[in-house]
Amino acid sequence: LAKTTQPISMDSYEGQEVNITCSHNNIATNDYITWYQQFPSQGPRFIIQGYKTKVTNEVASLFIPADRKSSTLSLPRVSLSDTAVYYCLVGDINRGSTLGRLYFGRGTQLTVWP
Amino acid sequence: EPEVTQTPSHQVTQMGQEVILRCVPISNHLYFYWYRQILGQKVEFLVSFYNNEISEKSEIFDDQFSVERPDGSNFTLKIRSTKLEDSAMYFCASKREGGDRYTEAFFGQGTRLTVV
Repeated sequence: LAKTTQPISMDSYEGQEVNITCSHNNIATNDYITWYQQFPSQGPRFIIQGYKTKVTNEVASLFIPADRKSSTLSLPRVSLSDTAVYYCLVGDINRGSTLGRLYFGRGTQLTVWP
Repeated sequence: EPEVTQTPSHQVTQMGQEVILRCVPISNHLYFYWYRQILGQKVEFLVSFYNNEISEKSEIFDDQFSVERPDGSNFTLKIRSTKLEDSAMYFCASKREGGDRYTEAFFGQGTRLTVV
């Protein structure tokens, strides 16, 4: 499994765009990149997933360069309620013998200030 | 939006007692999981379950743990003789079968287990 590295913590202010970068130098050809969000005392929640280039949904964008050795989660105009831990996961999470086992690292604690 | 529901939200038990944590996965999902998170630590995989049997388990999931899908809706995690170090938040998750590669895992709100 490709190891992921992301900042331990980030701070931002309301209304700003936040970019959280994750490095995954050993990503394999079949690996997808997935981001989850976790609020205190709640289960992780899927945010976005991608394989290459750019993916956008109603809450975030995911930028993946051509070499796929890193990815950046972009949260536009954050609010106080975006304060959470954000996890970058890499792996063939949909197929294969692990049948979707997820490997969570430490994640990035994002704190949004008023 | 469909959701995974877990009961109870909080359980306190004495060391050595058996506990059963209950989960109702999303109805059309076929892959089920238990994870746990000790306070301040990472979310850790315990076990995956598919087609009425365990698909994979981690080193944490020893003989004290068992899972069951007793009927068409519930998915349970049993800890036979709880230890203090079993105190954690336990999350159930479910996933729709593939066909579509982008099948996300949906997590429940968790059960906070406190062993005293």
